[in-house]
Amino acid sequence: EVQLLESGGGLVQPGGSLRLSCAASGFTFSSYAMSWVRQAPGKGLEWVSGISTSGGHTYYADSVKGRFIISRDNSRSTLSLQMNSLRAEDTAVYYCAKRGGYGDYTIDYWGQGTLVTVSS
Amino acid sequence: QSALTQPRSVSGSPGQSVTISCTGTGSDFGGYNYVFWCQQHPGKAPKLMIYEVSKRPSGVPDRFSGSKSGNTASLTISGLQAEDEADYYCCSYAGSYTWVFGGGTKLTVL
Repeated sequence: EVQLLESGGGLVQPGGSLRLSCAASGFTFSSYAMSWVRQAPGKGLEWVSGISTSGGHTYYADSVKGRFIISRDNSRSTLSLQMNSLRAEDTAVYYCAKRGGYGDYTIDYWGQGTLVTVSS
Repeated sequence: QSALTQPRSVSGSPGQSVTISCTGTGSDFGGYNYVFWCQQHPGKAPKLMIYEVSKRPSGVPDRFSGSKSGNTASLTISGLQAEDEADYYCCSYAGSYTWVFGGGTKLTVL
């Protein structure tokens, strides 16, 4: 059974930094591209960032480019998101998401999410 | 990337069918048939219901179906059940390994 467990969320001041982690299990982590997707309170889903199987290719939404860094450790089956220069509009539940179980362009599993609140 | 457009809400009675639309620009859909739909119950993680426009993952009831015509994709749920009440999101591959979501549609089963 695919399991994605996010951690690292919390309250941070504007301009601050936070690092999210996602522990993956139940599948061969190194064989699948991964993504982060977020959901602001009461709002819809927003794709944030993606990373290739090897970690050699990374992709970002315009809203976070230059501030967030996605990475992975295949030896530990862990996905990370380093978030810098945080803004109030980054407040959201952040979901770790797996891609590729049903075609290369489909996000097929999400974790339960971790809440990030950016506020003074 | 601009969000895909979905109706904010739809409703139907048990046993009826409802259709949720998802409209994007040509660049959003990118000329690809890589549209998927997910279901989200309150406070829960999204769940994949349809992928590549019209394919169903294993375990998803065949009451759920998808289609696409031009720049509009659609999710149809037939034989509505109370448990179908949830938010539904469309999502499309937008090229360059980026994705764009719709704003979400709240389905109410009357």
